Amino acid sequence: SSELTQDPAVSVALGQTVTITCQGDSLRSYYATWYQQKPGQAPVLVLFGQDTRPSGIPDRFSGSTSGNTASLTLSGAQADDEADYYCSSRDTSGVLYVFGTGTKVTVL
Amino acid sequence: EVQLVQSGSEVKKPGESLTISCKASGYSFINYWITWVRQVPGKGLEWVGKIDPSDPDMLYSPSFEGHVTISADKSITTAYLQWSSLKASDTATYYCARLGIGGMDVWGQGTTVTVSS
Repeated sequence: SSELTQDPAVSVALGQTVTITCQGDSLRSYYATWYQQKPGQAPVLVLFGQDTRPSGIPDRFSGSTSGNTASLTLSGAQADDEADYYCSSRDTSGVLYVFGTGTKVTVL
Repeated sequence: EVQLVQSGSEVKKPGESLTISCKASGYSFINYWITWVRQVPGKGLEWVGKIDPSDPDMLYSPSFEGHVTISADKSITTAYLQWSSLKASDTATYYCARLGIGGMDVWGQGTTVTVSS
């Protein structure tokens, strides 16, 4: 298996831009998927593939990958974006899945 | 509406067995893998394993293999996560999720399992 490492916490001023990163060897072969989780709620898929948002996810969420690092960028952060964000991908075997350590985003 | 509805909260003693369920509706159950995810209170998400309901073929994270069993009954479009002997460290919320092309695109509401003597 493989590990995905994220910064534990970041903060962003209302309306500003923040980027969350996810590092891991498997990201050289597989795209990251990003999930948003608010307290007491199930996670929600917000980004997958190269940079694809599911229906209903605002276009202020975008993604990119370079080498072993995937990034989720939140442009024009809103109070409602305050949540924990997890990356995920297949592991290096390509068969199993792994989650990142999670990043708590605070909107100031 | 595509949805996954999980069974209710459980309180068990160490050593007891338990099966929790995940009922799928609104889509073709056999066309998507179902995954299970654990979240210990105050901690992050952990991938437990997945099942192909049409096969059924199961794959487990090395961290969970041998301690849990994933199964599915396609006749009632339901997936299960089972323990034969619970430990206190199994205390967590367990989510089922549909594994779509892009990722885990539909999630159940979660089942809280508390294991305490």
